Amino acid sequence: QDQLVQSGAEVKKPGASVRVSCKASGYTFTSYGITWVRQAPGQGLEWMAWISPYTGNTKVAQKFQGRVTVTTDTSTSTAYMELRGLRSDDTAIYYCARDTSYQLLSGTYFYYMDVWGRGTTVTVS
Amino acid sequence: QSVLTQPPSASGTPGQRVTISCSGSSSNIGSNTVNWYQQLPGTAPKLLIYSNNQWSSGVPDRFSGSKSGTSASLAISGLQSEDEADYYCAVWDDRLNEYVFGTGTKVTVL
Repeated sequence: QDQLVQSGAEVKKPGASVRVSCKASGYTFTSYGITWVRQAPGQGLEWMAWISPYTGNTKVAQKFQGRVTVTTDTSTSTAYMELRGLRSDDTAIYYCARDTSYQLLSGTYFYYMDVWGRGTTVTVS
Repeated sequence: QSVLTQPPSASGTPGQRVTISCSGSSSNIGSNTVNWYQQLPGTAPKLLIYSNNQWSSGVPDRFSGSKSGTSASLAISGLQSEDEADYYCAVWDDRLNEYVFGTGTKVTVL
C-alpha cells in the first residue's frame, strides 16, 4: 500500500540543524508532491513547505524562509526536510505527507494531503 | 494565530449529529477548495474530506463537508465513540501563498 516512512526521533541543541527523511513506497514518487507539516506539543497543525519531486519546485511558508530547505532524491523515492537554527519552540512532531495539487483556469486551487507519515519527534533542548 | 477559525470544542451523544464550522476569508475559503482532517489521539492526521465535499478513500458517509462563501462546515451524523478526535479544516490562502489549517476542534462523544 502507499506509505511514507519517516526517520527516527531526534534530540538537538539550540542552534543546531536537523534533517528529517521521508521514504515513499507503493506509488510513483514523482506523480505527487510532498508536504511538510509540524505540530508543537498540544498545538494545532502548521504547514511548513512543499516540494514537487517531479520538477524540484518548492514553496516554503514565510515563517520558515531562510531556515527550511526541502529536497528529494528520486533515485530512492525519499524526501528530506532540513531545519536550521533550532530553537526550543521548534520542538514538535514533523510530518511528511503526499499531496495532490492543481489549479483550474478559473484560479481555484485544489491542494490536499492523502497519505501521511507517522511523524518524527524533534526535541530541542 | 490561524486565519481559519473553528470552535475549540464540540460534543454529542452517540447517534447524534455534530457540526463543526470553519470561518475564513475571500483569499482562502472564498477562492479555493476546503479539506478536512481527522487526528485521533497520538496519531498522524488523516484526510477525511477533500475538495469541499469529496470523501477520501474509506471514509464513511456519516462525514460530510460543505462550503458557502467564506465558510465551510463538517457534519458528523450518527456520532460514534471512535469519532472522538481533533478535526482541522485546511485550504490554500492566495494572499499568504501558503496552506493554512484551522485552529482545530476537539470532538467529544458523551
